[in-house]
Amino acid sequence: SQQGEEDPQALSIQEGENATMNCSYKTSINNLQWYRQNSGRGLVHLILIRSNEREKHSGRLRVTLDTSKKSSSLLITASRAADTASYFCASISSGSARQLTFGSGTQLTVLP
Amino acid sequence: DGGITQSPKYLFRKEGQNVTLSCEQNLNHDAMYWYRQDPGQGLRLIYYSQIVNDFQKGDIAEGYSVSREKKESFPLTVTSAQKNPTAFYLCASSATWEKLFFGSGTQLSVL
Repeated sequence: SQQGEEDPQALSIQEGENATMNCSYKTSINNLQWYRQNSGRGLVHLILIRSNEREKHSGRLRVTLDTSKKSSSLLITASRAADTASYFCASISSGSARQLTFGSGTQLTVLP
Repeated sequence: DGGITQSPKYLFRKEGQNVTLSCEQNLNHDAMYWYRQDPGQGLRLIYYSQIVNDFQKGDIAEGYSVSREKKESFPLTVTSAQKNPTAFYLCASSATWEKLFFGSGTQLSVL
């Protein structure tokens, strides 16, 4: 089952602009993670935000979490062509089934 | 050079054939996972193992089998019972659920 759903499914921006991707999830979570996938490659962990945190930064990445709305957003500032990739949110439910469940992803294209 | 190695990168399966995808890690992680990714989709969990000689079914285990005889290795067999095996298969490992390390994937296609 898909715990997270990303929005939009695809996003195209110019280099230097900011990119915002959103993720909604269904059940209570312990933490939410964001991963990046270059085409035909494995995923790379970007950042984790815990359920008791509201915002977290890492370099050009900013993640927010709103547990009341069961949603998270990933902001990439000053985007570069090298940021072109698919971005996935992933979460573990607070229940006993400790599985990391991934959303369907946002395909980001940064045009030079 | 630590990491996860998946092989082969491309694999073709004939009808009625079982095929095995290899996954090896030298990160000393206890947990290992197999995910399936269909085009334009997210990842779906097939099997995971948190310790040697133990593994659990994920959301889509039917038609797949695994073994975990060594900490470093977690091979996945796609059996003939899996009627729609064409997909990108990703192996991952972790010390905790908080950060997974992924291999570069195996693309399986049906001849």
